[in-house]
Amino acid sequence: SYVLTQPPSVSVAPGQTARITCVGINIGSKSVHWYHQKPGQAPVLVVYDDSDRPSGIPERFSGSNSGHTATLTISRVEVGDEADYYCQVWDTSGDHWVFGGGTKLTVL
Amino acid sequence: EVQLVESGGGLVQPGKSRRLSCVASGFTSDDYAMHWVRQTPGKGLEWVSGISWNSGTIAYADSVKGRFTISRDNAQNSLYLQMNSLRREDMALYYCARGATRKVDSGGFDYWGQGTLVIVSS
Repeated sequence: SYVLTQPPSVSVAPGQTARITCVGINIGSKSVHWYHQKPGQAPVLVVYDDSDRPSGIPERFSGSNSGHTATLTISRVEVGDEADYYCQVWDTSGDHWVFGGGTKLTVL
Repeated sequence: EVQLVESGGGLVQPGKSRRLSCVASGFTSDDYAMHWVRQTPGKGLEWVSGISWNSGTIAYADSVKGRFTISRDNAQNSLYLQMNSLRREDMALYYCARGATRKVDSGGFDYWGQGTLVIVSS
């Protein structure tokens, strides 16, 4: 089945830019969705269809997708951005949704 | 305001059954697909099952296929997950999530409930 690989952790200082990658075979041909999840809370959609933002999500959150890597970029990182981040795609070969293993973003 | 409220979790013995429910409010149910996603404490997200707006398309994760059944009642704004032959590895927090489109396979999940905990133990 289709596998999405994320780094377990990413650390960044406040005000800097965080980039979280999601690697999958030919992921550039799929639509990628990104979520963040803070402790004790449900996931929240922050980017959908590779690079679109739901209403209410700051412009600091952006996404890109090409080749074998999709990337969530968080500009001007704030302490409140600390969370686990997950990527997601629809696996057409298996007819199911797949999540990446998640990346813990730490704001130093 | 969109709200999704799950119920039905609890302690269940291995091999037994449990039915989860999710009541939706703040939107027209038959405009969206719906999904169940589970999460083991401290672990990642696992999609369990999804159903299109009119129940015409249903999909399951391989790990639950043949044991779990998803259904919906748009008139009642409700989503269900019938879980049979439960295993210890099914123990998790189960979230109800709204698909961003009417189809099971597109758009991501734009609203989530707070989850209901299923504990499988003898």
